[in-house]
Amino acid sequence: DAGITQSPRHKVTETGTPVTLRCHQTENHRYMYWYRQDPGHGLRLIHYSYGVKDTDKGEVSDGYSVSRSKTEDFLLTLESATSSQTSVYFCAISESLLAGRTETQYFGPGTRLLVL
Amino acid sequence: AQKITQTQPGMFVQEKEAVTLDCTYDTSDPSYGLFWYKQPSSGEMIFLIYQGSYDQQNATEGRYSLNFQKARKSANLVISASQLGDSAMYFCAMRDSEYTGGFKTIFGAGTRLFVKA
Repeated sequence: DAGITQSPRHKVTETGTPVTLRCHQTENHRYMYWYRQDPGHGLRLIHYSYGVKDTDKGEVSDGYSVSRSKTEDFLLTLESATSSQTSVYFCAISESLLAGRTETQYFGPGTRLLVL
Repeated sequence: AQKITQTQPGMFVQEKEAVTLDCTYDTSDPSYGLFWYKQPSSGEMIFLIYQGSYDQQNATEGRYSLNFQKARKSANLVISASQLGDSAMYFCAMRDSEYTGGFKTIFGAGTRLFVKA
């Protein structure tokens, strides 16, 4: 199994508060991703990173920011949480991006976030 | 626009029988990757199998095989000899290249498989 951990695994917060989710990998993979999973929408990409300090937006990036100061860590921040951001958040990693099987994304265990 | 369609919201299969989960995709990119993931009730996403658009042969991983029909844009997952532990949600996904905007991986809505004893 790919060495990917997410913290916290569960969080309850109130609308308007900032929230930071952490993804940590031990595989030294270059690419890291944040997804959210919602009923009826499947998994949707929020942001991804292609190296330290190199990040880009996904399809549902509004209200989220990310940072990657070290290869192994990728942080997702909700600057001011809203109820629509209640979701399960998955981090994923891949060795490559557009290069055959090595582009396979491996997922962390997920974080359940409830915004009241 | 890129799209993944899984038309079977739920399926039942008898233990030890084979089952096919359907996935069709749409892309104008000649280079793409196709993936299947399993999500059991515990919630984790488990990678099962990968097929590249230029791969000549269908991918296989143990009891999993991918029936890749490029002209029909279909990438069905075949699970042989179903086991009770195969009961889960299964997602088909596709990665392609958007040269103007980076890349994108999209997921289908999923198929829930129930294996009966």
